[in-house]
Amino acid sequence: AQSVTQLDSQVPVFEEAPVELRCNYSSSVSVYLFWYVQYPNQGLQLLLKYLSGSTLVKGINGFEAEFNKSQTSFHLRKPSVHISDTAEYFCAVIGPYGGATNKLIFGTGTLLAVQP
Amino acid sequence: DAGVTQSPTHLIKTRGQQVTLRCSPISGHKSVSWYQQVLGQGPQFIFQYYEKEERGRGNFPDRFSARQFPNYSSELNVNALLLGDSALYLCASSLGAGGLTDTQYFGPGTRLTVL
Repeated sequence: AQSVTQLDSQVPVFEEAPVELRCNYSSSVSVYLFWYVQYPNQGLQLLLKYLSGSTLVKGINGFEAEFNKSQTSFHLRKPSVHISDTAEYFCAVIGPYGGATNKLIFGTGTLLAVQP
Repeated sequence: DAGVTQSPTHLIKTRGQQVTLRCSPISGHKSVSWYQQVLGQGPQFIFQYYEKEERGRGNFPDRFSARQFPNYSSELNVNALLLGDSALYLCASSLGAGGLTDTQYFGPGTRLTVL
């Protein structure tokens, strides 16, 4: 069964500093990975996704992620964060139904806390 | 264009009661999925409906049910509420049933509190 692990529950960082949010996945088949962001009291917004092709994926708001098959990782990075990036970030993988449904399996989330 | 809308925004119920949550997908989207997000955890898949038919069900008891209407809106029903049902319920819509390029767009959620 597919699953994702987000090792850090909270990542504090100063404004304009770089940040990396870690995500590791577990799957015996091809994986399709996603990063979503959840701002306070809001729903989820898709940041970026990896389906195939280039392992470096660029998303919205200056975020990017790198798919690493050998390390089974899909870490999210941003070179310079802003206060407005403070939010909960979720890594997710498509569930085992494959093409039958688009069930997402989420990690437990990482709170990015940007400090001035 | 309007995004995914959900109603109500907040809801307070007592144990044993029943609740109905509503979702309107983005215009043109035919698939609706429901997720439960307990505080401090990631969302958990409950159901997916496509063209009014159930296409997937998560590991939730039969107290949870859903349906999709001809206009593609959807309702999630939960019977015999338990304290553990307190959560943010998210609805997501997508164009199709499950293509990998079929991005899911989430609504703001309904916050259910069971006392």
